[in-house]
Amino acid sequence: EVQLVESGGGLVQPGGSLRLSCAASGFSLSTYYMSWVRQAPGKGLEWVANIKQDGSEESYVDSVKGRFTISRDNAKNSLFLQMNSLRAEDTAVYYCARGLWTFDQWGQGTLVTVSS
Amino acid sequence: DIVMTQSPDSLAVSLGERATINCKSSQSVLYSSNNKNYLAWYQQKLGQPPKLLIYWASTRQPGVPDRFSGSGSGTDFTLTISSLQAEDVAVYYCQQYYGSVPYSFGQGTKLEIK
Repeated sequence: EVQLVESGGGLVQPGGSLRLSCAASGFSLSTYYMSWVRQAPGKGLEWVANIKQDGSEESYVDSVKGRFTISRDNAKNSLFLQMNSLRAEDTAVYYCARGLWTFDQWGQGTLVTVSS
Repeated sequence: DIVMTQSPDSLAVSLGERATINCKSSQSVLYSSNNKNYLAWYQQKLGQPPKLLIYWASTRQPGVPDRFSGSGSGTDFTLTISSLQAEDVAVYYCQQYYGSVPYSFGQGTKLEIK
């Protein structure tokens, strides 16, 4: 069974950092583009970042460029999102999702709350 | 960036009736070289992650019931549920994946039972 499990969310002060992880099982992470998508409380979906199968290419939404870094460890079947200089507007559930253009598998999400 | 606008924001339909959700993109998402519309639909039930229903505007994801269908081309798209079931209560999102990032979503349409 394909499964994506996020972890690492929590409460952080503005300006702080968090590192999200996504553990994949039931498929080989190395064969897929992977993405992060977020959803602010009570709001819609926002694509955040993606990374190519071998990690050689990354893309980001403008609002997180220079602050967030997506990475992966295919040997450990894991995806990561390093989030620095966090702002209140980054508060959201962060989903790990499989795919480049469309997202056919999603994790349950991890909540990141940025507040003092 | 391409902006996706859905209508209506919310919709109440009786069980067994047809539900129709519209999605409009700020520019065409039809790629002329392959005649494909880079448009997907997702369903998100309360407390759950989104689920991919349709891609290429009209291709159902395996396992998605055939009461769900997608149509449209260019800038105007529709998700239709032919006979609403209780388990279809959810928020529905369209998403474009044309050209370069960001791959934007519509604001969502909340579907309820009348």
